[in-house]
Amino acid sequence: EAQVTQNPRYLITVTGKKLTVTCSQNMNHEYMSWYRQDPGLGLRQIYYSMNVEVTDKGDVPEGYKVSRKEKRNFPLILESPSPNQTSLYFCASKDTLGTEAFFGQGTRLTVV
Amino acid sequence: GDSVTQMEGPVTLSEEAFLTINCTYTATGYPSLFWYVQYPGEGLQLLLKATKADDKGSNKGFEATYRKETTSFHLEKGSVQVSDSAVYFCALSGNTGFQKLVFGTGTRLLVSP
Repeated sequence: EAQVTQNPRYLITVTGKKLTVTCSQNMNHEYMSWYRQDPGLGLRQIYYSMNVEVTDKGDVPEGYKVSRKEKRNFPLILESPSPNQTSLYFCASKDTLGTEAFFGQGTRLTVV
Repeated sequence: GDSVTQMEGPVTLSEEAFLTINCTYTATGYPSLFWYVQYPGEGLQLLLKATKADDKGSNKGFEATYRKETTSFHLEKGSVQVSDSAVYFCALSGNTGFQKLVFGTGTRLLVSP
């Protein structure tokens, strides 16, 4: 089954404690992206990657890092989380020729 | 920059009522337009899309027509069901390759029996 898998689904952490949210896709897609969803703001792009070792900033990259060492994986790293990063995060992937993006089920992060 | 504006919710309807959720956009060139749906506790799923002017996207009884003259992509359904209760997002993607989807703020639809 074609899917984008994020882990964990829920995470509560404390300010400053480094964390990683994993994202994996099994469709051999080139493009992968991270979004955060906040009430009244919709989804905003954090980072995207057009292929292995190629990443770039989206609209709200501050406080986040990403890496793309393998085609299937695109982890989101918060080196020093802060309460304003409390949000619902989505990973998405898409192939070069298609227009449809496939989304993971989301990771609800709370930073206290 | 590109942007999407959609009507605020929640939209509350009775089962079998007619649904319209308005969406307008601002973009250069000829973007592709999408409606995504988010059911409670789940990720986003593509509901329908249109890639050029006057195209009509349709799926599961939902329809939307790409209107370049009014820069709109309104979502409609003739008879909603309780199972349609969800959050609906209008989005666009520029025509120079997929680097990001630009989303509206989402509209929550609540359908009662």
